[in-house]
Amino acid sequence: DAGITQSPRHKVTETGTPVTLRCHQTENHRYMYWYRQDPGHGLRLIHYSYGVKDTDKGEVSDGYSVSRSKTEDFLLTLESATSSQTSVYFCAISDGTGAREAFFGQGTRLTVV
Amino acid sequence: GDSVTQMEGPVTLSEEAFLTINCTYTATGYPSLFWYVQYPGEGLQLLLKATKADDKGSNKGFEATYRKETTSFHLEKGSVQVSDSAVYFCALSERLRGGYNKLIFGAGTRLAVHP
Repeated sequence: DAGITQSPRHKVTETGTPVTLRCHQTENHRYMYWYRQDPGHGLRLIHYSYGVKDTDKGEVSDGYSVSRSKTEDFLLTLESATSSQTSVYFCAISDGTGAREAFFGQGTRLTVV
Repeated sequence: GDSVTQMEGPVTLSEEAFLTINCTYTATGYPSLFWYVQYPGEGLQLLLKATKADDKGSNKGFEATYRKETTSFHLEKGSVQVSDSAVYFCALSERLRGGYNKLIFGAGTRLAVHP
């Protein structure tokens, strides 16, 4: 299994509070991604990174920011959590070669109350 | 933009039945295609992949063939087991500006296999 660790695995937070999710990899892969999974929508890309301090927006980036100060860590921040951000969040990594498949972490279940 | 459409579930089968989960895609260029599987409470695991037309990906008894003429990548297994119960996602790799890539997923198909 690819070395990807997400933390926390579960979190309940109140509306309006900031939340940071962490993704840590030990594979030294260049690309890292944050997806959210919601019923009926599959997985949707929030933000991605193609190197240290290099990030870009995905299709559902509103209300989220990211940072990547080290190759191994990719942080996702909800600046002011809303109930619509209740979801399961997955981090993924890819080395960008071959078929360019991605490998996923175990996910973080976030509930905003 | 690129997109993936897969059959809605749930799909309910008896053990040893034949499985087909349909997946079609819309894409410019020649994307790589994937099937991922998600067991309850876990992340997505890559099940199989194909990178060009007529390629057949296979793993754990599952197969899928990259059909460019029908823009399809249907997942099949000849004899399912209870342990195959999971959600299956079809996906393609879309090339972004700057040469980067992202995966575009279908909505997922839940498979339930009964003894």
